[in-house]
Amino acid sequence: DAGVTQSPTHLIKTRGQQVTLRCSPKSGHDTVSWYQQALGQGPQFIFQYYEEEERQRGNFPDRFSGHQFPNYSSELNVNALLLGDSALYLCASSFVANYGYTFGSGTRLTVV
Amino acid sequence: AQSVTQPDIHITVSEGASLELRCNYSYGATPYLFWYVQSPGQGLQLLLKYFSGDTLVQGIKGFEAEFKRSQSSFNLRKPSVHWSDAAEYFCAVGARDDYKLSFGAGTTVTVRA
Repeated sequence: DAGVTQSPTHLIKTRGQQVTLRCSPKSGHDTVSWYQQALGQGPQFIFQYYEEEERQRGNFPDRFSGHQFPNYSSELNVNALLLGDSALYLCASSFVANYGYTFGSGTRLTVV
Repeated sequence: AQSVTQPDIHITVSEGASLELRCNYSYGATPYLFWYVQSPGQGLQLLLKYFSGDTLVQGIKGFEAEFKRSQSSFNLRKPSVHWSDAAEYFCAVGARDDYKLSFGAGTTVTVRA
């Protein structure tokens, strides 16, 4: 049984560009949350998607947006990239927005 | 809003010795508490969680944690550390009906032979 799959694993972008990260949840899970983990810090909650809608959002600017598809997979989009957006982006899935989260291995984004 | 403090940035322990990682949380109501482990290049793996009931919680890989409301703490322990326990450990707090997790900054554990 596959766990949470994230793609790509690594990405290098230039300041000002836009990026899309992808997440396929664990089989049977319907809720996807995204976290940003800067180097040397704990993960910070970006937002959560359930039933194709953003149901909760953390303290992140509107440059961060997302989407959930009917098959429960999700995308995280970041516009107008800043150097400070360099981080490991983690996707976590769960069933019906409970705390049984399964985390993916993350996408390492480097902005230069 | 809830928050977590992990006072120890880095801990070095000898293989076979005991380990205790500290976690203090701030939250007005009864918190949901978690410990996760992250190996280099990997995502987070749940070690254990506390929602209610018995304040001593058993987890995977021989870890346990104790919830102490009076001290706002949820410290993680392991009686005998193995080299494979070298990793980064995160304490996190959540709240009922609010499904985001707030993580501490993490404690890096180094195991020496």
